Amino acid sequence: KQEVTQIPAALSVPEGENLVLNCSFTDSAIYNLQWFRQDPGKGLTSLLLIQSSQREQTSGRLNASLDKSSGRSTLYIAASQPGDSATYLCAVPASGGSYIPTFGRGTSLIVHP
Amino acid sequence: DTAVSQTPKYLVTQMGNDKSIKCEQNLGHDTMYWYKQDSKKFLKIMFSYNNKELIINETVPNRFSPKSPDKAHLNLHINSLELGDSAVYFCASSHSQVTGELFFGEGSRLTVL
Repeated sequence: KQEVTQIPAALSVPEGENLVLNCSFTDSAIYNLQWFRQDPGKGLTSLLLIQSSQREQTSGRLNASLDKSSGRSTLYIAASQPGDSATYLCAVPASGGSYIPTFGRGTSLIVHP
Repeated sequence: DTAVSQTPKYLVTQMGNDKSIKCEQNLGHDTMYWYKQDSKKFLKIMFSYNNKELIINETVPNRFSPKSPDKAHLNLHINSLELGDSAVYFCASSHSQVTGELFFGEGSRLTVL
């Protein structure tokens, strides 16, 4: 059974800092990994999708890397802004052939001015 | 145009009632999902469905049942509601069960009194 862990669980930083959010998973036989953002009371917004054949993906100030062999992904946020405050979740397909995305518990980020 | 839409957004009902939450996607995706997000914000898969296969999380009570009238719709029916069913329910879809990017609806907040 795929298990996904996200560290840290919570993070509070001043504006302008570069941030690293971590996601680890127990079954490395994955097809992809996806990072999401969830604002309070809202749905999940897809940030980046990394296919298993890729090592990283970039979108604006966001960069996500994937190391399948070690079961890890990192979301890097450059020059953080208060608008980045949200919960960040990663999801990977479950093991055992079902392919259903399994989520970590998320990192709750607060960026204060 | 909303890609994945859910109705209702809020639902307040009494214990013992039967209720449904509707989900529609206009992305032409083959696979749809229902997730439950509990009070601790943990997202847990309930069902995955495409036109060939229904995968049920074995921990989901059989009071919950998905119904798919066509590829674009996956509704969630809940019988004999209990207090513990209070949560936010998210519908999602992906193009491919294996490699597809996951898109979420805005969620339906169910409160059972």
